[in-house]
Amino acid sequence: DTEVTQTPKHLVMGMTNKKSLKCEQHMGHRAMYWYKQKAKKPPELMFVYSYEKLSINESVPSRFSPECPNSSLLNLHLHALQPEDSALYLCASSQPWAGARTDTQYFGPGTRLTVL
Amino acid sequence: KNQVEQSPQSLIILEGKNCTLQCNYTVSPFSNLRWYKQDTGRGPVSLTIMTFSENTKSNGRYTATLDADTKQSSLHITASQLSDSASYICVVSEATGTASKLTFGTGTRLQVTL
Repeated sequence: DTEVTQTPKHLVMGMTNKKSLKCEQHMGHRAMYWYKQKAKKPPELMFVYSYEKLSINESVPSRFSPECPNSSLLNLHLHALQPEDSALYLCASSQPWAGARTDTQYFGPGTRLTVL
Repeated sequence: KNQVEQSPQSLIILEGKNCTLQCNYTVSPFSNLRWYKQDTGRGPVSLTIMTFSENTKSNGRYTATLDADTKQSSLHITASQLSDSASYICVVSEATGTASKLTFGTGTRLQVTL
């Protein structure tokens, strides 16, 4: 099973709402990632978890709050977002880096987020 | 600053024709280079992965090449199909502790037409 699943597929929220994005993988990967992708742009790294601990935060605003409750799950909690936060949010997972061949990142299908 | 540049930005070809996409990178320390295919509104899907010691890698009708000396890569698509219409992204990985960090190119948008 090389699948990363994300829910929901689409999300529309107001600027005062609180919502969460979910990501799940059962490949035994111990590194998980959140990316933000605007239209016609490459994905931008937001957060990296390694062994359930936050290892990289790319200076993301605090209105985005990641959580890794266990090795298979990754959440992104959203609060007080702005319209410019509307984008495709991608989750990915990989084996922790132990050599060039092991770190292929598998991406989920993404959550299309619209902030009104 | 690590960078990955791709050309052309967009490309339109007729079904059945071949095409080659280019990628130049300045990423250090280099771990590996991958080509991803991304359909609109979907997550990227890995096509090929190459380390510095590999010159070429094939996956069906996709063939990637890597010249680690000149820091260039190409993706050749043979006998294109309508389903090949997508963005193709060159991604270079640098190792950072226990998780990989990727530098993405801006992609080449390929459209295959009848």
